[in-house]
Amino acid sequence: EDQVTQSPEALRLQEGESSSLNCSYTVSGLRGLFWYRQDPGKGPEFLFTLYSAGEEKEKERLKATLTKKESFLHITAPKPEDSATYLCAVQGQGQNFVFGPGTRLSVLP
Amino acid sequence: GAGVSQTPSNKVTEKGKYVELRCDPISGHTALYWYRQSLGQGPEFLIYFQGTGAADDSGLPNDRFFAVRPEGSVSTLKIQRTERGDSAVYLCASSKSWNTEAFFGQGTRLTVV
Repeated sequence: EDQVTQSPEALRLQEGESSSLNCSYTVSGLRGLFWYRQDPGKGPEFLFTLYSAGEEKEKERLKATLTKKESFLHITAPKPEDSATYLCAVQGQGQNFVFGPGTRLSVLP
Repeated sequence: GAGVSQTPSNKVTEKGKYVELRCDPISGHTALYWYRQSLGQGPEFLIYFQGTGAADDSGLPNDRFFAVRPEGSVSTLKIQRTERGDSAVYLCASSKSWNTEAFFGQGTRLTVV
């Protein structure tokens, strides 16, 4: 059974304080790993897709990396508007996406 | 449309009633997913459509839940004899094909009282 865990559960940063969020996964035949951002009361917003170990993707202050067992979402010099829940999901041999519980990020001004 | 549209945005119903939740995917997207999300948790898979057929309905919790996508576009999630435990946000997502990223709607918040 495909499984995804995320750590930490919650993270509080000062504006400008860089950090990383972790997504650990167990999947039979990874087809893709996906990062989403979710604001309160909204649906998840797509950020990145990673397909193979060693792959990296960047967007503004965010950078996602992938190994065979985990993915990291690095946040460089975060701003208060980066505050959200960050969700990680994997797609294995099944065609659905299996989500982790998310990391709630708060960036204080 | 520009994005995935879900209606209604909020639904309050009495225990035992029947409800229908609608999802209008991004035009041209063949894959459509339904998820359920409880407070503080990640989305939980319910059902996946490829075209008109349900390719995977293994996430439906019991036979009170049913979903259709008769013309390969709009989908309706139907819940019979609602229970208080069905209260959650129901999310719909669509993707160009089964192995590409999915785009989510805003969700329908269902409250069973």
